[in-house]
Amino acid sequence: AQKVTQAQTEISVVEKEDVTLDCVYETRDTTYYLFWYKQPPSGELVFLIRRNSFDEQNEISGRYSWNFQKSTSSFNFTITASQVVDSAVYFCALSEANFGNEKLTFGTGTRLTIIP
Amino acid sequence: DVKVTQSSRYLVKRTGEKVFLECVQDMDHENMFWYRQDPGLGLRLIYFSYDVKMKEKGDIPEGYSVSREKKERFSLILESASTNQTSMYLCASSLGKDAFIYEQYFGPGTRLTVT
Repeated sequence: AQKVTQAQTEISVVEKEDVTLDCVYETRDTTYYLFWYKQPPSGELVFLIRRNSFDEQNEISGRYSWNFQKSTSSFNFTITASQVVDSAVYFCALSEANFGNEKLTFGTGTRLTIIP
Repeated sequence: DVKVTQSSRYLVKRTGEKVFLECVQDMDHENMFWYRQDPGLGLRLIYFSYDVKMKEKGDIPEGYSVSREKKERFSLILESASTNQTSMYLCASSLGKDAFIYEQYFGPGTRLTVT
């Protein structure tokens, strides 16, 4: 069975600080996909990134970066120079690569508050 | 842009009522999903569908059923609502083609309260 753990329930940082959100996953498959979603106060989940298990390159998108390490089963998310608009709940999710059975297993989320 | 819409943002129903939650996507996606979101539990999959008239149970299907008569529409049905079904319900869709796992796009959610 697959599992995603986001041990940080809530994080608060002052604006412009960097912050890293941790995600640890468990799966028996060798092929799988990892995702990060953002849920702002409005409630709608917004897709941020998808990464497959064969691509361990880190990715950077503006102030966002992701560090994927298969050796530690982690897929951590860093926001650089945080802004108030980054305040949201962030979810990490895992999907095993079974075509036609694309179940996403979500972590319990990390609530990030950016203090102005 | 992918758009997933849900019929209501807020809904209040009484125990024992039959409840229909509707979801429509406009991007010709093959897959559709229903989740519920509860504090401290994250999102849990109720049912999903990878084709018209096809459905698969998720992790917590008890007390729910679904219907997918058209590709763009996926309905979640609570046959007899109970107070423990008070929750936020989220619908999602994904492309579902080419043997890849694609990202899911979510609707705004329906906050259901059962009294």
